Amino acid sequence: QQQVKQSPQSLIVQKGGISIINCAYENTAFDYFPWYQQFPGKGPALLIAIRPDVSEKKEGRFTISFNKSAKQFSLHIMDSQPGDSATYFCAASTENGNQFYFGTGTSLTVIP
Amino acid sequence: SQTIHQWPATLVQPVGSPLSLECTVEGTSNPNLYWYRQAAGRGLQLLFYSVGIGQISSEVPQNLSASRPQDRQFILSSKKLLLSDSGFYLCAWSVGTGHYGYTFGSGTRLTVV
Repeated sequence: QQQVKQSPQSLIVQKGGISIINCAYENTAFDYFPWYQQFPGKGPALLIAIRPDVSEKKEGRFTISFNKSAKQFSLHIMDSQPGDSATYFCAASTENGNQFYFGTGTSLTVIP
Repeated sequence: SQTIHQWPATLVQPVGSPLSLECTVEGTSNPNLYWYRQAAGRGLQLLFYSVGIGQISSEVPQNLSASRPQDRQFILSSKKLLLSDSGFYLCAWSVGTGHYGYTFGSGTRLTVV
């Protein structure tokens, strides 16, 4: 059973546009929601993360929006650039857990 | 600072041959360690995790095994590789439950021929 559901599977955005990736979860015990960015042939790298006590977190062009009641969170990439082309994974974990539950990934292509 | 080393970067092995992938972490003590597999164009599948020396939890029954002979060393092994073992293998570490994030290694691209 997929603990974290991620959509879309792939996304094509024009340079300068907004990229939006969505994730949903069921386990209300999750209390940490990171996003990872992976370039081809590389390991995923932590991009940005949020805890459920805030509804939004922004770091540069990257923003996480969190809706606790809907059990959904999303990544927004403003002013998308070709260098943002990568696979993005959302994840969730619990304070007492030993693992992250990853979404299935979104392949983002930003067209110049 | 903490660093994670994973090797080799690429590996081509014949079916039926053994496998040993090694991962080491520097700059931290008693990390949680993880092995993930990523098939081409697919998500991250957790294979094993370890919270301490000699403590291994398996998430998916398979042709692979893991060992943690030292605090900061995690090894992924197989006695006889199958074609289906091909993929991108990633080692990761975290402090405790990972609420400060996982750090992934650079991965090993394994092709079984």
